[in-house]
Formats: sequence, C-alpha cells, structure tokens
Amino acid sequence: DSGVTQTPKHLITATGQRVTLRCSPRSGDLSVYWYQQSLDQGLQFLIQYYNGEERAKGNILERFSAQQFPDLHSELNLSSLELGDSALYFCASSISPSGETQYFGPGTRLTVL
Amino acid sequence: QKEVEQDPGPLSVPEGAIVSLNCTYSNSAFQYFMWYRQYSRKGPELLMYTYSSGNKEDGRFTAQVDKSSKYISLFIRDSQPSDSATYLCAMSAVSQGGSEKLVFGKGTKLTVNP
Repeated sequence: DSGVTQTPKHLITATGQRVTLRCSPRSGDLSVYWYQQSLDQGLQFLIQYYNGEERAKGNILERFSAQQFPDLHSELNLSSLELGDSALYFCASSISPSGETQYFGPGTRLTVL
Repeated sequence: QKEVEQDPGPLSVPEGAIVSLNCTYSNSAFQYFMWYRQYSRKGPELLMYTYSSGNKEDGRFTAQVDKSSKYISLFIRDSQPSDSATYLCAMSAVSQGGSEKLVFGKGTKLTVNP
C-alpha cells in the first residue's frame, strides 16, 4: 500500500458526460501528479500540482482540468468524454516538487461507452 | 525517435533465472532514472531510483545506468514467480525552473514460471 488513495476504483459513463476523479496524497507529500495509462500509449503524464499550484503540464487535453485543494487532495475533471478517454487514470504523490520518487495510487478505471 | 524506448516483451523465464530488462533514451538531459513494477490492475510501485551513471543494488535487484550509451538496465537475480509483473523504466531531467516531467517506457511484461 503506497499511502495514496484514489476514488472511485471504477467508473462507467457515456460519451459527452463529465466525471471527477479524486486523489489523496501520502501524508506529508505536497506534490500530486496525474497520469493516463492506455494499452497503446503507455503511462502518459498529464499534470502536476505542488502545494496548491500548477507546477508542470504534460499531454493534458483542454477538455481535462485539475486542481489541488488546501488539504492537498486533488481532483481531475474530465468533460465531453469520448470513447478514446477510456483508460486507467493514476495519481501519484511525492514530497518534493522535483518528483524523482513518486508513489502511485491504485488508479481509477474509466470506461466510456 | 521516442524519448524512451523499452522492449515490451513479453519475457518468460524459469524460476531462478537472471532477468535483464533494458531501456534506451534519447534525451541527454535525463539525470534521474527509475524502475517501477506494476502488477496487473494495480498502480506502479517504485523499485529502484538512481541518479546519474553507475550501479545500485537492492537485494535481488541491480539497476545500471550508462549515460554515455543512453542505456539503463534492471537485473533481477534468482527470479521468483512473485516477480511476474510489468516493469516500467522512467526518467526525468531537472531544470533551473524546477521539476521536469517523468517520462516512462511502455513497460516489459515479465513472467517467471515455477
């Protein structure tokens, strides 16, 4: 158990809908990272927050957004969902902003029908 | 050319074998090199973390980094069925502006047969 929690574990929704994924980092970690993992693309970095501020951006679509709250938990919002958004979404946390040691949560499996 | 290349396998070995997993990369700015293990339907788990070139050993696992060849390896000695998983290499650079994103290989699926 990494200490990173993610909810929900599974999410099934329809195209065009909006969903919110939630992540609580390990106790004491200030950085939160979001990743998308699909079979063909592997693990893709989406976005990083450090102590409430956006720190780095990766291959995140404009339909996706995230935020980190004062209690350090983070939410990833996915809107106007498409079939291709079906994937595993992971959250990771680290104590430092440089992120070379990240601890991953169990993931949320999103299925868009 | 992709930033990080990793042979997807699958790799199947008998119990007790020495396993060698490898990644190559193109970005010479990478300074941090990691190996993650991912069991089916689970999140990646950090196994090894090295900075710059050299070797690092932790129990049955040895990580090697050769920056001159842009090549990293993970060796698993006395492999066990419980080592069956997908192994992901990851690497990052650090700039003056702060953190750089972690770039992952696509993973090598390993099966250790009893």
